[in-house]
Amino acid sequence: QVQLVESGGGVVQPGRSLRLSCAASGFTFSSYGMHWVRQAAGKGLEWVAVISNDGSTKYYADSVKGRFTISRDNSRNTLYLQMNSLRAEDTAVYYCCGVSSGYGDHYWGQGTLVLVSS
Amino acid sequence: EIVLTQSPVTLSLSPGERATLSCRASQSVSSYLAWYQQKPGQAPRLLIYDASNRATGIPARFSGSGSGTDFTLTISSLEPEDFAVYYCQQRSNWPLTFGGGTKVESK
Repeated sequence: QVQLVESGGGVVQPGRSLRLSCAASGFTFSSYGMHWVRQAAGKGLEWVAVISNDGSTKYYADSVKGRFTISRDNSRNTLYLQMNSLRAEDTAVYYCCGVSSGYGDHYWGQGTLVLVSS
Repeated sequence: EIVLTQSPVTLSLSPGERATLSCRASQSVSSYLAWYQQKPGQAPRLLIYDASNRATGIPARFSGSGSGTDFTLTISSLEPEDFAVYYCQQRSNWPLTFGGGTKVESK
């Protein structure tokens, strides 16, 4: 069955870096655009970044532009989010999400918690 | 960026009642609007995409309508498992944006 499994979350000090991974299985990863979406505790959803199925196109939320980098390795069916210069306001559960070209199929991971604190 | 405003913030209803949720965009998003359901401790689940298309496996009691700036998610008869938070999201312009959510709670 379809699985997206995030990893790499944890506690990190402000200003430091962290890399999240999202391992995909059960669907044709290379055919799906991949997103990162985050959610602070008790708050709503915030879209973070997207990468096209072939990795050629990327977009970011203004709040992370210049600090976060999304990438993917289709040979490993894995999505990444490199997060640099982390701030307290980046504290959230980070979800990866695969979206089909027609937008009708969405697959979500269970989320990984990033806590930025000194 | 496009701002999505959802109303009401909270909707208190009983099982079997009809729920009507609203999402208004700060500028036209054509029909590029989706609705998600999220329960505590779970990832969001896609319900409706492109304003009115039900996602795979979504029951027929969920329907979406609207275009341009005004959209509605209707749950025709609430089941116990429908009490959750609902978010709209636009994919017309980058960055993608979500509304603030509507919590549907049991009266």
